[in-house]
Amino acid sequence: DAKTTQPTSMDCAEGRAANLPCNHSTISGNEYVYWYRQIHSQGPQYIIHGLKNNETNEMASLIITEDRKSSTLILPHATLRDTAVYYCIVRVVRARDDKIIFGKGTRLHILP
Amino acid sequence: KAGVTQTPRYLIKTRGQQVTLSCSPISGHRSVSWYQQTPGQGLQFLFEYFSETQRNKGNFPGRFSGRQFSNSRSEMNVSTLELGDSALYLCASSLNNWGQNNSPLHFGNGTRLTVT
Repeated sequence: DAKTTQPTSMDCAEGRAANLPCNHSTISGNEYVYWYRQIHSQGPQYIIHGLKNNETNEMASLIITEDRKSSTLILPHATLRDTAVYYCIVRVVRARDDKIIFGKGTRLHILP
Repeated sequence: KAGVTQTPRYLIKTRGQQVTLSCSPISGHRSVSWYQQTPGQGLQFLFEYFSETQRNKGNFPGRFSGRQFSNSRSEMNVSTLELGDSALYLCASSLNNWGQNNSPLHFGNGTRLTVT
């Protein structure tokens, strides 16, 4: 079945780059990859999304492999406030089938 | 611009009761979707509405239902509550058909439902 996979947890030293991977092997066509993060007791916060090309905004960079079956979210200079659960979300649309797929999320710990 | 607003923020109900949760999307957004989040199952898609029509539905029993009004505001209803329905219920809105075009989801902070 279609799914995304992410590591359960990761650690990163404060000030270093945090690289969070996601596998989305069934993605194809014009389906975007979205990244969100969630701090306890709040709703998921939008970070970035992309289709084929690498993307960068004020929060992060998104690297998507050429075959689009995986992506990496990069937080260039992690701070303690980046401690959160990070979700990779894709929407897989086929004829008569529309699945919204969440990973289980990666719990990112930023270490002082 | 105001974000997605969900009410109430917290709710306690007993088994067998029914509950209605409300969501006001970002102004101008026409698509509203609902999600259930539990520690064991993570984020799970419930349903999605666009222009008052349910466009997509996840794998939840018929006790879970929703609707969208002409002003794009949405409600979801859970009837005959069970203990396992205790969860954070999240609403998200987008300008239009997110996932296939340049239109990200924006989430509210959710309604935490506790069923006793």
